[in-house]
Amino acid sequence: AQTVTQSQPEMSVQEAETVTLSCTYDTSESNYYLFWYKQPPSRQMILVIRQEAYKQQNATENRFSVNFQKAAKSFSLKISDSQLGDTAMYFCAFMKLGGSQGNLIFGKGTKLSVKP
Amino acid sequence: EPEVTQTPSHQVTQMGQEVILRCVPISNHLYFYWYRQILGQKVEFLVSFYNNEISEKSEIFDDQFSVERPDGSNFTLKIRSTKLEDSAMYFCASSEARQGGSYNSPLHFGNGTRLTVT
Repeated sequence: AQTVTQSQPEMSVQEAETVTLSCTYDTSESNYYLFWYKQPPSRQMILVIRQEAYKQQNATENRFSVNFQKAAKSFSLKISDSQLGDTAMYFCAFMKLGGSQGNLIFGKGTKLSVKP
Repeated sequence: EPEVTQTPSHQVTQMGQEVILRCVPISNHLYFYWYRQILGQKVEFLVSFYNNEISEKSEIFDDQFSVERPDGSNFTLKIRSTKLEDSAMYFCASSEARQGGSYNSPLHFGNGTRLTVT
């Protein structure tokens, strides 16, 4: 069975600075997807970034980038130039390729606070 | 941008009562999902639904749970006889295409319904 671990329950960062959120996972699958979802106080789950495991290049979406280390089963999220609107819960999630339909395995989340 | 909408935002019910949580997925989406998040816990997959039938369900999704697409727009989750441990945030999601395959589109989540069973 797959597991996703986020070891940082809470983090804070000053506005405009950079923060990295950690995520590790355990799987015997070789092909899978990894995601970071953001859940602001509005409660909606918003996809931030995704990574296909077969791609060596780290995904980037504007101020958000990942450091994907497949051998180490690590998938950290870096937020550059943090903004107040980045304050939210961040969930790391795993999904194996093929078979499951929408069966995302989530971590427990990291609560990020961006301070002015 | 189209959104997944869920109603109500908060529902309080007594143990043993039936509850129906409602969702309106994005109109051109074909795959529908329910997830739940017990307070302080992980978000957990419950069920996926396609072509008017369940595609996959987790161990959580026992006989007390059912899903339905009663018309062309709504997607509902019914809990027949609620238990205290059913208290959680329930998220509906939809996607345009099949996940886990070619992955053509991401899941779009609603804002959730907070269910409190007393």
